[in-house]
Amino acid sequence: DAGVIQSPRHEVTEMGQEVTLRCKPISGHNSLFWYRQTMMRGLELLIYFNNNVPIDDSGMPEDRFSAKMPNASFSTLKIQPSEPRDSAVYFCASSLGEMAQGFREKLFFGSGTQLSVL
Amino acid sequence: AQSVTQPDIHITVSEGASLELRCNYSYGATPYLFWYVQSPGQGLQLLLKYFSGDTLVQGIKGFEAEFKRSQSSFNLRKPSVHWSDAAEYFCASYSSASKIIFGSGTRLSIRP
Repeated sequence: DAGVIQSPRHEVTEMGQEVTLRCKPISGHNSLFWYRQTMMRGLELLIYFNNNVPIDDSGMPEDRFSAKMPNASFSTLKIQPSEPRDSAVYFCASSLGEMAQGFREKLFFGSGTQLSVL
Repeated sequence: AQSVTQPDIHITVSEGASLELRCNYSYGATPYLFWYVQSPGQGLQLLLKYFSGDTLVQGIKGFEAEFKRSQSSFNLRKPSVHWSDAAEYFCASYSSASKIIFGSGTRLSIRP
C-alpha cells in the first residue's frame, strides 16, 4: 500500500486566497484525522471522521476552516480566506478503528502539507 | 481534562549512549498510551503502544517504554542510540473522550 497520500506537499499562497489540502487515506481504513503542527502549539487535532462522517470538529480553529470526506478514499481541508497565522504543517492520518472500541489502533500519517500564507 | 506533558523540549545525547524521554499523562483512568517518532519532513510513525498488561512495552527500532501508574508516566527508553535516531518524539494518549492527544514533542539530537 502507498500509505496516506497528501497533496500538495508544499503550498505558498497570499493572504485572502482559498487553500485546499487533499488527503487519500489507506484503503480499508475507516477513520481519518486532520492535524495541524506548529512550533508554538505542537500537534493539534482539527477534526476526525469515522466512516466518512465528521465526529468531532471542535479543534477546527474557526469558520474559515472546513473539512469534507465525500467518500472513503478522499478528504479535503479547506481554508477560506487564508491568513498568515494559518501557516503550519497540516497532517492527515488514517486508522482502522471501530467507534465502539475507540481509536486504539495506530495512526498512519501522511507526509504533511507545508502551508505558507504570505 | 486529559493532557500529555513532555517536559524536555530538546535533548542531546552521544551516539551509543542510553536515552530516556519523559512523558507524563493526566487522566483519571488508565489511558491508552503511544510513542510516535517524526523524522524531518515526514509524518509520524508509531514506535510502540500500551493498552494494558505488561507495563514494559517493546517497540520498533530497539525502543521500549514503561508505564508507571504511580508516577503517571510513560517514559521512552533506548539502551544505545544511533545517529539515525535523531528526530522528534511525541508521546500521545487516548481516552474515552475519543481523541488522541499529543504532547508537545521532544527533539532528539545525537552527538557524534
